[in-house]
Amino acid sequence: GAVVSQHPSRVICKSGTSVKIECRSLDFQATTMFWYRQFPKQSLMLMATSNEGSKATYEQGVEKDKFLINHASLTLSTLTVTSAHPEDSSFYICSAPAGSSYNEQFFGPGTRLTVL
Amino acid sequence: AQSVTQPDIHITVSEGASLELRCNYSYGATPYLFWYVQSPGQGLQLLLKYFSGDTLVQGIKGFEAEFKRSQSSFNLRKPSVHWSDAAEYFCAVGTMDSNYQLIWGAGTKLIIKP
Repeated sequence: GAVVSQHPSRVICKSGTSVKIECRSLDFQATTMFWYRQFPKQSLMLMATSNEGSKATYEQGVEKDKFLINHASLTLSTLTVTSAHPEDSSFYICSAPAGSSYNEQFFGPGTRLTVL
Repeated sequence: AQSVTQPDIHITVSEGASLELRCNYSYGATPYLFWYVQSPGQGLQLLLKYFSGDTLVQGIKGFEAEFKRSQSSFNLRKPSVHWSDAAEYFCAVGTMDSNYQLIWGAGTKLIIKP
């Protein structure tokens, strides 16, 4: 099956700094990728849809300037959490649709962000 | 609007007992249906999926799920659970008109009693 990787798997940063999370499709091309946020003991919340070569589409309530998304190539999307604060601490997961009809999503292993 | 309901926040089952996790969805047509499992601190693993055809779907780790159109349900089952099955289980729905986005249930935490 299609493989999606994320880097880093864990990151701890100081409040006010920016953190970049990478999402890569390793064996397929992904014109679309999705970024999710998951709070402890909760379900996934879709943050934005990353589109290769164009602007990301953000879900209602997600700050575009806070969570910068860049989909620079067909295999890489990045999420940058700018001026991170402790409330941004969370588990961030990316996914990409693949398969014969693009009707199945493949998930990265997630990135645990802790902001001190 | 499309929605997914997992009515059980958590379920406790004895090891070796059977399991059924419930999932109901709201959508006008037949959606794509998925069950994912997430172990603590881990990413999501696809257990099984339904797109069309046979309504009883076999997945990995001995899981199966049955799509019942009349009940708008896609319940996950396993005849005998193992301690390693303890995890969070998510039901998700995807539709052709949603740009491949998934709509997620709230999840059911499975606790295994020894």
